[in-house]
Amino acid sequence: DTEVTQTPKHLVMGMTNKKSLKCEQHMGHRAMYWYKQKAKKPPELMFVYSYEKLSINESVPSRFSPECPNSSLLNLHLHALQPEDSALYLCASRHGTGYSYEQYFGPGTRLTVT
Amino acid sequence: GQSLEQPSEVTAVEGAIVQINCTYQTSGFYGLSWYQQHDGGAPTFLSYNGLDGLEETGRFSSFLSRSDSYGYLLLQELQMKDSASYFCAVRDWQSGGSYIPTFGRGTSLIVHP
Repeated sequence: DTEVTQTPKHLVMGMTNKKSLKCEQHMGHRAMYWYKQKAKKPPELMFVYSYEKLSINESVPSRFSPECPNSSLLNLHLHALQPEDSALYLCASRHGTGYSYEQYFGPGTRLTVT
Repeated sequence: GQSLEQPSEVTAVEGAIVQINCTYQTSGFYGLSWYQQHDGGAPTFLSYNGLDGLEETGRFSSFLSRSDSYGYLLLQELQMKDSASYFCAVRDWQSGGSYIPTFGRGTSLIVHP
């Protein structure tokens, strides 16, 4: 199984809503990532979890709150978002050893904030 | 910090060969990756170069010259399905050993019949 799954595929939320994005992988990968991607732009790193601990937060606003409940799951909790937060949110995983370099990306959640 | 430069768009015809270049500036360079992303899809890993030289995977090859801070992705026998965005990504180490890739702005490849 070389798949990273993400739910939901699409999400429309108002600025006062609270929602969560979910990411799951069963490849035994110990590094997991959240990216934000706008149209025609590269993925923009948000958070990195390494061995279930948050290792990188790229100065992301607190309205985005990541959580790693176990080694297979990664959540992104959303609260009080702004319309400019509308984007494709990608989850990725990597084996986690020093010589592994391939990131496996999930299909993404297309988020629209109204 | 890091910076990567790649062309914004490349066009070619079916059956042709196309090369997408990537130049980079970074400290602590460990390797260069390439990803393909179709419209509406997720990035898919294509190749990685940690050492100088050419890596070949089917119709795709990738080259790295660390002394020139330069790499390229070579696509042969182009097919319509190769129309996509291609990102180069530099591998760098943050403190603590986390692998943090920095992506280039992407090259849109358009393949014409």
